[in-house]
Amino acid sequence: RKEVEQDPGPFNVPEGATVAFNCTYSNSASQSFFWYRQDCRKEPKLLMSVYSSGNEDGRFTAQLNRASQYISLLIRDSKLSDSATYLCAQAGTALIFGKGTTLSVSS
Amino acid sequence: EAGVAQSPRYKIIEKRQSVAFWCNPISGHATLYWYQQILGQGPKLLIQFQNNGVVDDSQLPKDRFSAERLKGVDSTLKIQPAKLEDSAVYLCASSLIPNNEQFFGPGTRLTVL
Repeated sequence: RKEVEQDPGPFNVPEGATVAFNCTYSNSASQSFFWYRQDCRKEPKLLMSVYSSGNEDGRFTAQLNRASQYISLLIRDSKLSDSATYLCAQAGTALIFGKGTTLSVSS
Repeated sequence: EAGVAQSPRYKIIEKRQSVAFWCNPISGHATLYWYQQILGQGPKLLIQFQNNGVVDDSQLPKDRFSAERLKGVDSTLKIQPAKLEDSAVYLCASSLIPNNEQFFGPGTRLTVL
């Protein structure tokens, strides 16, 4: 089964910082990618979908680099409430999830 | 719009016992998934249904796990007999289109003693 790799972190940043996570994938045929946010002891919640080169939603920007087979998530002006684990997922015959990257935003 | 419902939320059993989990997907979502999430890992797909048919169960330990979605709506996942390593959160998700945006239920946290 194709793998999805993420840096587990934790990423510790102050409020207002910009932080970026990368996620590498091995299935070059995949057309769709997703970023999920998961709070402690909660279910994953869909944050962004990426179908072409990228997507932007407020402070969050996702970029897809097909040549290097990675997707990134950029968070600008970090808030305390952004503290969570961020999971990336690649769609193929099924969704393959990475292990997640933990972000901790401090005041 | 109601989300994905799951029950129970928590379950503690002893090894070799049986347990069953229930899921009700978002209305109109034909595709239903069961995932296992072990602490510190991402969700791992166990089984995927399209309506009441199985699309992918390649990672389901079929000697002890079974799942059904008889009427194409609700689904149950059963473990019999449970092992210590089955301790995990069991997440149900649904989507309108297969392998597109998936929405998760709150999960069932299983502890096997």
